[in-house]
Amino acid sequence: EAQVTQNPRYLITVTGKKLTVTCSQNMNHEYMSWYRQDPGLGLRQIYYSMNVEVTDKGDVPEGYKVSRKEKRNFPLILESPSPNQTSLYFCASSRSRSWGAGETQYFGPGTRLLVL
Amino acid sequence: AQKITQTQPGMFVQEKEAVTLDCTYDTSDPSYGLFWYKQPSSGEMIFLIYQGSYDQQNATEGRYSLNFQKARKSANLVISASQLGDSAMYFCAMREGGSGYSTLTFGKGTMLLVSP
Repeated sequence: EAQVTQNPRYLITVTGKKLTVTCSQNMNHEYMSWYRQDPGLGLRQIYYSMNVEVTDKGDVPEGYKVSRKEKRNFPLILESPSPNQTSLYFCASSRSRSWGAGETQYFGPGTRLLVL
Repeated sequence: AQKITQTQPGMFVQEKEAVTLDCTYDTSDPSYGLFWYKQPSSGEMIFLIYQGSYDQQNATEGRYSLNFQKARKSANLVISASQLGDSAMYFCAMREGGSGYSTLTFGKGTMLLVSP
């Protein structure tokens, strides 16, 4: 089954404790992204990757790191989480740079993060 | 300026009625794509429908259609014959540019509640 998976789905942590949220897709997609969703703000892009070893900042990259060592994986790293990073996080992937009909982004199930 | 505006924070509709969710966008790029996503209470993001800026006809996918009015820069989602399972948050999104990768920008969403 074609899908984007994220782990963990739920995470409670404390300020300053490094954490990683994993993202993996089995569709051989080139493009992967991370978003955060906050009430009243919709989804905002954190980072994206156009291919292996190619990453770039989105709209809200502060406090986050990413890496793309393999095509299928795109982990999100919070080196020193803070309470304002409490949010719902989505990983997404798409096949190519074209966004024509059918070239939509496929989203993972989301990771709910609470930073105390 | 916001690129995607969804002016309806919430909408109520009765089962079997049609409902229109509003979306206006702002871009100076002649090439762009417009997307609608559904987010049920379980949290996942589900792609519904896509409209390209050069598409001559309005997109349709089953009970979903996109009322694309280019001159007014609006891309309203029409759901015909609402069902209880349509109760969810709905997001309009846009990607600009005909080639290369660009950010998918989301609106803040509209909560739709379908009553029996």
